[in-house]
Amino acid sequence: AQTVTQSQPEMSVQEAETVTLSCTYDTSESDYYLFWYKQPPSRQMILVIRQEAYKQQNATENRFSVNFQKAAKSFSLKISDSQLGDAAMYFCAYRPETSGSRLTFGEGTQLTVNP
Amino acid sequence: EPEVTQTPSHQVTQMGQEVILRCVPISNHLYFYWYRQILGQKVEFLVSFYNNEISEKSEIFDDQFSVERPDGSNFTLKIRSTKLEDSAMYFCASSDGGTFSQYEQYFGPGTRLTVT
Repeated sequence: AQTVTQSQPEMSVQEAETVTLSCTYDTSESDYYLFWYKQPPSRQMILVIRQEAYKQQNATENRFSVNFQKAAKSFSLKISDSQLGDAAMYFCAYRPETSGSRLTFGEGTQLTVNP
Repeated sequence: EPEVTQTPSHQVTQMGQEVILRCVPISNHLYFYWYRQILGQKVEFLVSFYNNEISEKSEIFDDQFSVERPDGSNFTLKIRSTKLEDSAMYFCASSDGGTFSQYEQYFGPGTRLTVT
């Protein structure tokens, strides 16, 4: 069974600084997808960034980027130039390649952005 | 931009009562999902639905739960006899399964279920 682990229950960062959230996963699959979701206090799940396992290049979306290490099964999220609106719970998630497969989520990291 | 909608946003019910949570997935999507999140915990998969039948379910999805797509647009989750431990946020999600974006599940805003 696939598992996703986020070892940092809480993180904090100063506004305009950079923060990295960690995620590791376990799978026997060779093709899969990894995601970071943001959950603000409204509890809406918002997709931040996705990474296809077959791609060596790390995904980037504006201030958000990932460090994907397939051999180490590591998938960290870097937030640059942190903004107050980035404060939220962040979930790492895994999904096999098969269409319609479930997402498996990590425990989440609560990010606080200090002004 | 198309979005997944869920109703109601908050449902309060008494233990033992039946509840139906409703979702309208994005119109051209083929795969539908329910997840739940107990307060302070991670999001957990309940069930996926494709081609008018359950394609996968978790150990949480026992006989008290059922899903249905009663018409061409709605996707419902029924809890037959609610327990206190069913109190959670329930998220509906959908994906289209036909293009690159099949890998992305779009989430609704959630229904907060409180069982008293």
